[in-house]
Amino acid sequence: EAGVAQSPRYKIIEKRQSVAFWCNPISGHATLYWYQQILGQGPKLLIQFQNNGVVDDSQLPKDRFSAERLKGVDSTLKIQPAKLEDSAVYLCASSLGLSPLHFGNGTRLTVT
Amino acid sequence: EDKVVQSPLSLVVHEGDTVTLNCSYEVTNFRSLLWYKQEKKAPTFLFMLTSSGIEKKSGRLSSILDKKELFSILNITATQTGDSAVYLCAASKETSGSRLTFGEGTQLTVNP
Repeated sequence: EAGVAQSPRYKIIEKRQSVAFWCNPISGHATLYWYQQILGQGPKLLIQFQNNGVVDDSQLPKDRFSAERLKGVDSTLKIQPAKLEDSAVYLCASSLGLSPLHFGNGTRLTVT
Repeated sequence: EDKVVQSPLSLVVHEGDTVTLNCSYEVTNFRSLLWYKQEKKAPTFLFMLTSSGIEKKSGRLSSILDKKELFSILNITATQTGDSAVYLCAASKETSGSRLTFGEGTQLTVNP
């Protein structure tokens, strides 16, 4: 089966600019997650979708981060405006029921 | 607040050595403990442990969960350079489906 697809792989922006990441989950997976992984740390959940509805966005910095999954398949995560501390790898993951999460290769964001 | 703690954070061994990675957790409504291997890209799933005392094994890797003492270990025997990676431990909850809380990870380096 095709895995979780993410793009772009890398992005370099200046602080205060905006950026968007895209994720296409495994076909049929109803649950989609965005995680932020800062260098040297474990992934931290930003937002969880079930189909096109938000299940948990309690750790999403909503003043600058937004995410959507309008048709219950693809998802985009946006940061506007970016800060230096947003430099991280943004991982998208999907799952079916209670099965283990499948991760994409991530987008490495560098904010200068 | 739910917490997953891994130790050691970093480990350097020689090929052929056996290593034990530790993971302790404090998670309300705990359901299962998962191990992932992360090389340069996406975390890849290794094991999911739900029952206490039952060892799961895959080749040179094995893992076990102790739900009384709230910890898990991941063993790797006869290590190879290809085992070099970050090993992530994560916990799921009965009330949160497949959503995971991750530890900081253990960086394992296997030298030839």
